[in-house]
Amino acid sequence: EDQVTQSPEALRLQEGESSSLNCSYTVSGLRGLFWYRQDPGKGPEFLFTLYSAGEEKEKERLKATLTKKESFLHITAPKPEDSATYLCAVQATNTGNQFYFGTGTSLTVIP
Amino acid sequence: NAGVMQNPRHLVRRRGQEARLRCSPMKGHSHVYWYRQLPEEGLKFMVYLQKENIIDESGMPKERFSAEFPKEGPSILRIQQVVRGDSAAYFCASSSTSWTGFRNEKLFFGSGTQLSVL
Repeated sequence: EDQVTQSPEALRLQEGESSSLNCSYTVSGLRGLFWYRQDPGKGPEFLFTLYSAGEEKEKERLKATLTKKESFLHITAPKPEDSATYLCAVQATNTGNQFYFGTGTSLTVIP
Repeated sequence: NAGVMQNPRHLVRRRGQEARLRCSPMKGHSHVYWYRQLPEEGLKFMVYLQKENIIDESGMPKERFSAEFPKEGPSILRIQQVVRGDSAAYFCASSSTSWTGFRNEKLFFGSGTQLSVL
């Protein structure tokens, strides 16, 4: 069965303390891996799509990377406004339109 | 360009009542997805629709739940005879392309409807 596992469940960082979030996946054929940010009481907001191993995408303090088994979301020198839940989702070649989401990593950046 | 619009934001129902959740996709989008999110759980796929067609409803409970996306108007997720276990946040997402190989597909989400069943 296709699965998406995110770790850690929760992460507390001091402002400026860089770290990485992990998303490991098991799908029979990856069409795309997606990162979203979700703030409390809001819907997920799209960040990145990665399609093949070795691919990297960057946006401000965030950088997403992809291997054949996992993806990392690196946060460099985070700020309090980066506090949110970060969701990973995969779309597989054999499951049509479904996006499988992980349970997310809740990030808190302390000033 | 308005985003995905969901209403109501909050819906309170008593057990046995019906709940109707509405979703207007982004302008130009003809693909709509419904997801359910429970506390401490991930987003669970429910149903995927295109205009006037249900494409994939494999994530939707067989009973009491139905969805439609008519030619005109918003997509509707309908829950009949609600039970306390239906309490959750329901998110709608839309996209402009199908999954048939276009690499620019991504989902845009609404702000969700929080359903509370008393």
